[in-house]
Amino acid sequence: DVVMTQSPLSLPVTLGQPASISCRSSQGLVHTDGNIYLSWFQQRPGQSPRRLIYKVSNRDSGVPDRFSGSGSGTDFTLKISRVEAEDVGVYYCMQGSHWHTFGGGTKVEIE
Amino acid sequence: EVQLVGSGGGLVKPGGSLRLSCATSGLSFSKTWMSWVRQAPGKGPEWVGRIASKTSGEITEYAAPVKGRFTISRDDSKNTLYLQLNSLKTDDTAVYSCTTAEYWGQGTLVTVSS
Repeated sequence: DVVMTQSPLSLPVTLGQPASISCRSSQGLVHTDGNIYLSWFQQRPGQSPRRLIYKVSNRDSGVPDRFSGSGSGTDFTLKISRVEAEDVGVYYCMQGSHWHTFGGGTKVEIE
Repeated sequence: EVQLVGSGGGLVKPGGSLRLSCATSGLSFSKTWMSWVRQAPGKGPEWVGRIASKTSGEITEYAAPVKGRFTISRDDSKNTLYLQLNSLKTDDTAVYSCTTAEYWGQGTLVTVSS
């Protein structure tokens, strides 16, 4: 199974400042169709996950442009350019190239 | 507006069974691959399984911990997804959500306890 390792586990951030979350896969994520199915999800307390980014760097409809995804090979990153109060929650990366596995999550909280 | 509404959760004894439903609206359900994801209390999400669209053969795939015990099915005439849970174990206690990956239901709680 592909293991997804996220860091950090907890990320205290200051409002208006940038934030970055790392996700590393135990093997390459290129699917047989040539795509890399790496997504990022946000989960606010008491809510279902919400997908923010799909296929590494594509933002879902309605997702603010302060969220961006990047990466290749086995290393991927979610960046928030300027953190807002509504961004508090747990963020998960997920690979869908070899079945589906989630990272352990990164809890974003305001300092 | 796309809506996925899960139902059918509850308290069941180990070894018991339960059937979850996910009623959808606002999407081309018959053309959509659908999945179930669960989240145990205080844990991260875990993909349970998925079912392909009818045109893709309604092929089903399952995570190793549930294979042989859980069954995913769909009724395109009702725009509804199902998850049959059999031989339930305490480790299956979780909120179960249906999803297209882009859209998510609110989840229904399954508690397995004697």
